[in-house]
Amino acid sequence: NAGVTQTPKFQVLKTGQSMTLQCAQDMNHNSMYWYRQDPGMGLRLIYYSASEGTTDKGEVPNGYNVSRLNKREFSLRLESAAPSQTSVYFCASSEALDRTHQPQHFGDGTRLSIL
Amino acid sequence: AQSVTQLGSHVSVSEGALVLLRCNYSSSVPPYLFWYVQYPNQGLQLLLKYTSAATLVKGINGFEAEFKKSETSFHLTKPSAHMSDAAEYFCAVMLTGGGNKLTFGTGTQLKVEL
Repeated sequence: NAGVTQTPKFQVLKTGQSMTLQCAQDMNHNSMYWYRQDPGMGLRLIYYSASEGTTDKGEVPNGYNVSRLNKREFSLRLESAAPSQTSVYFCASSEALDRTHQPQHFGDGTRLSIL
Repeated sequence: AQSVTQLGSHVSVSEGALVLLRCNYSSSVPPYLFWYVQYPNQGLQLLLKYTSAATLVKGINGFEAEFKKSETSFHLTKPSAHMSDAAEYFCAVMLTGGGNKLTFGTGTQLKVEL
């Protein structure tokens, strides 16, 4: 079982460059999420997709865009990278829709450095 | 708005000693609460979850947590620490409003010493 797969695992960018982080899940989950993890701040939700065809902003959406390409894939795009976006990015997925308190399953993360 | 507070960003215990990681929550409605563990260079793994079925919740690797409404707490415990328990632990509360969104605490790094 692959679970949640994120690519790339590591990336270094220069300020102003753009890139897309890819995420795919093979568990037939409805909901998918993007988080960033920074030291001492836990995980903060960037965007989420409650179901295929929908996306919504989380706690820290500025500077990011997302695409729910299909039920399996949810990508995160940085249009013009800034040093403040240096972080570890995690994609997650969960089985069910509203108010069913299903746990989230996480990928191994993408470590992104912006110089 | 729901939130969680984890007391102690670093906790150190001896191997074989009791592990106690603290989590307090704030919620205007009955909460759903989770504990996750993160090993170095990995994603988060679910340890256990509270969804109102029972106040004492048992999880993987010998961990358990007790939901105490009067104290607004959901502390994580393990009777006897093992070296392999060294990791970062996150408490999280599920937000209302749909989408199974979570708000995470800032994490507690557990160190286990010989």
